[in-house]
Amino acid sequence: GESVGLHLPTLSVQEGDNSIINCAYSNSASDYFIWYKQESGKGPQFIIDIRSNMDKRQGQRVTVLLNKTVKHLSLQIAATQPGDSAVYFCAENRAGSARQLTFGSGTQLTVLP
Amino acid sequence: DTGVSQDPRHKITKRGQNVTFRCDPISEHNRLYWYRQTLGQGPEFLTYFQNEAQLEKSRLLSDRFSAERPKGSFSTLEIQRTEQGDSAMYLCASSILTGLARDYTFGSGTRLTVV
Repeated sequence: GESVGLHLPTLSVQEGDNSIINCAYSNSASDYFIWYKQESGKGPQFIIDIRSNMDKRQGQRVTVLLNKTVKHLSLQIAATQPGDSAVYFCAENRAGSARQLTFGSGTQLTVLP
Repeated sequence: DTGVSQDPRHKITKRGQNVTFRCDPISEHNRLYWYRQTLGQGPEFLTYFQNEAQLEKSRLLSDRFSAERPKGSFSTLEIQRTEQGDSAMYLCASSILTGLARDYTFGSGTRLTVV
């Protein structure tokens, strides 16, 4: 079946280090991917997106890499800060009239002092 | 307008009771989505509206679930005869017509606990 999933449920990093969160997807027809950050008691917050015709996209302190060959994407956070502690989800924004999001199960990122 | 508002933030109800949640989207957003999120999982799409028209509702979990957006502004999600398995966070999101993820704004959700 179609799914978007994450490799690891938890990740702990030292403040100032770089973080890498991974995600695998199974639908080879997927063409648009998004990373979200969700803090406790809040809704998901958009971080960065990437279309399937790209393999890398950079934002402020974040980079998303897409490897279509192995159906894998990753989120890299540079110089991780305590405010980065949250659950991170990858999601697919499917083509079609609804444009609904299909989420994976999330990775809890904890930034250690 | 400070974003998508959801009310109430928390709801505890007894099994078998009906509950209704409200979502007020960003005023200029045409699209409104409802998602459900259980603990440790990503949100799961339920239904969406474009203006007042409900264009996709096949993903509603059962016929106990219904949603309305009567004037194309706020929306309500009702669950009838609640069951313990309905306990979850119910998230609303709104978007401009593109529906692209970068244009989505999520609310903070309504956490439902069925006892």
